[in-house]
Amino acid sequence: GENVEQHPSTLSVQEGDSAVIKCTYSDSASNYFPWYKQELGKRPQLIIDIRSNVGEKKDQRIAVTLNKTAKHFSLHITETQPEDSAVYFCAASRGGNEKLTFGTGTRLTIIP
Amino acid sequence: GAVVSQHPSWVICKSGTSVKIECRSLDFQATTMFWYRQFPKKSLMLMATSNEGSKATYEQGVEKDKFLINHASLTLSTLTVTSAHPEDSSFYICSVYRNLEAFFGQGTRLTVV
Repeated sequence: GENVEQHPSTLSVQEGDSAVIKCTYSDSASNYFPWYKQELGKRPQLIIDIRSNVGEKKDQRIAVTLNKTAKHFSLHITETQPEDSAVYFCAASRGGNEKLTFGTGTRLTIIP
Repeated sequence: GAVVSQHPSWVICKSGTSVKIECRSLDFQATTMFWYRQFPKKSLMLMATSNEGSKATYEQGVEKDKFLINHASLTLSTLTVTSAHPEDSSFYICSVYRNLEAFFGQGTRLTVV
């Protein structure tokens, strides 16, 4: 089955700086890669996703890049703000309505 | 608005008792729902895939007789934790897809004492 690895497990950045979180996956059939933000005790919230027919997607301060050849994808957050502090999870699936396999999570702390 | 609703948000039960968690899709039909479990400071791990009108598909290592899943209608799936023990204490979250995007319930914090 699919295996998703995520790094780093913790990340602290100064407010205003950029944060990058990286994930690798194992299933070459995976073609849907969402990123979720989860606050303590809450449900995961989709922040951005990318499908395998594109290499990059951007939404304001958030961007995701995908390298299907290398089987890795990354989340980029620019101009970080204190409210960006949370746990972030990457995930992968074969698309459609298939199950998601989650990465291990990254605890992001923005230092004011 | 909310796409999926999960109930209860939290529950405390005694060891050996059973607990039922409901997951409802709102305003649309979901033939498939997913049940995840998340231990403190850990990731979401898929437990099972709930299929309307048929048996659930369980992930390796998940006891189907302990975690009973019923998907009797197109808008409701239930997860029953039978004979709960303290090690079953966790955050349980359901998920459905709508328009190829996954939506999650609010989650249920189960504490077994």
